[in-house]
Amino acid sequence: GQQLNQSPQSMFIQEGEDVSMNCTSSSIFNTWLWYKQDPGEGPVLLIALYKAGELTSNGRLTAQFGITRKDSFLNISASIPSDVGIYFCAGQRDNQGGKLIFGQGTELSVKP
Amino acid sequence: SQTIHQWPATLVQPVGSPLSLECTVEGTSNPNLYWYRQAAGRGLQLLFYSVGIGQISSEVPQNLSASRPQDRQFILSSKKLLLSDSGFYLCAWSVWPSSYNEQFFGPGTRLTVL
Repeated sequence: GQQLNQSPQSMFIQEGEDVSMNCTSSSIFNTWLWYKQDPGEGPVLLIALYKAGELTSNGRLTAQFGITRKDSFLNISASIPSDVGIYFCAGQRDNQGGKLIFGQGTELSVKP
Repeated sequence: SQTIHQWPATLVQPVGSPLSLECTVEGTSNPNLYWYRQAAGRGLQLLFYSVGIGQISSEVPQNLSASRPQDRQFILSSKKLLLSDSGFYLCAWSVWPSSYNEQFFGPGTRLTVL
């Protein structure tokens, strides 16, 4: 079925470094969402994007809805140990009744 | 405010036994409800979604079934569990109809089939 290509699959960084991850698709999406999942818990919504070109921030997190509507990126600035977890992008296409398509996740490890 | 609950949090079941996982949502009416399975901590696979009481759509053929007996209750079931049914099961809800497509997840149920 339809998939989103999320990269990188994993990242190992030092505390204080900036992080960037992205999702791409061959299809156009009208919504991009970014979630974070801590071990053993459900994903938590971080940022929602609804317009092509939209740039939205949530604290140290910034996400953008690509102009082509086929991609999105998430940046984390000045990473801290509690940023550890798996980050998922999710997109929705038109006429999908609210269903989301998820990327495979980016696992972030932060070394103090 | 809206909250979503899943029960139980963890479950260990033998192969061939039945299954019933429950999801309930509070603080909203007529939500869309979703069941996902996550294997090995990666990749969420949509199993079922529901737009109303008694309305269930299945995304993939499998050993599981879903039911929605009440507006804010969603149940995932199996008559006979397989080893491959092990995983982390997540329930989610969203507002429908809506211009916003955000889904909000429950805490999950960790199922181990032995």
